Amino acid sequence: EVQLVESGGGLVQPGGSLRLSCAASGFTFTTYWMSWVRQAPGKGLEWVANIKQDGSEKYYVDSVKGRFTISRDNAKSSLYLQMNSLRAEDTAVYYCARGVGGWFDYWGQGTLVTVSS
Amino acid sequence: QSVLTQPPSVSGAPGQRVTISCTGSSSNIGAGYDVHWYQQLPGTAPKLLIYGNSNRPSGVPDRFSGSKSGTSASLAITGLQAEDEADYYCQSYDSSLSGLYVFGTGTKVTVL
Repeated sequence: EVQLVESGGGLVQPGGSLRLSCAASGFTFTTYWMSWVRQAPGKGLEWVANIKQDGSEKYYVDSVKGRFTISRDNAKSSLYLQMNSLRAEDTAVYYCARGVGGWFDYWGQGTLVTVSS
Repeated sequence: QSVLTQPPSVSGAPGQRVTISCTGSSSNIGAGYDVHWYQQLPGTAPKLLIYGNSNRPSGVPDRFSGSKSGTSASLAITGLQAEDEADYYCQSYDSSLSGLYVFGTGTKVTVL
């Protein structure tokens, strides 16, 4: 059974940093692109970043470029999102999602990030 | 920033058919990129409902169907059931914007 379990969310002050993790199991992690997708409270979905199987390619939505860094550890079947210079508008539930052919076939349960003073 | 436009809400009685539109542009749906659909039940993570415009993953009832034409796509739910009450999002790839993947604005389906 495919499982994606996020962790690392919490309350952080504006300008602060947070590192999210996503532990993957039930599939061969090294054969999939992985993404982070976020959802602000009461709002829609927004793709944030993705990373190629071997970590050689990474892409970001403009609003997080230079502030967020996606990475993965294939030995640990884990995906990460390092978030720096956080802003109030980054407040959201962050989902880890497995990418297949342009869509996301499995999602984690999400972890809430709240940026507030 | 959503660049795929969906109606905020649609509703129907049990057993009825409802459709949700997803309107894009020449840089996403109109460019030939596939459209995918997700169902998000209250308080849960999104779940893949339709991929590649009209394909259903294993376990998704055939009451759900998708189509695409020009710069738009549609999701149809036939034989509406109470458990279909949820938010639905379309998604595609965009070649011009700040992000690779774009989602629709979302549609709340209410079963009357």
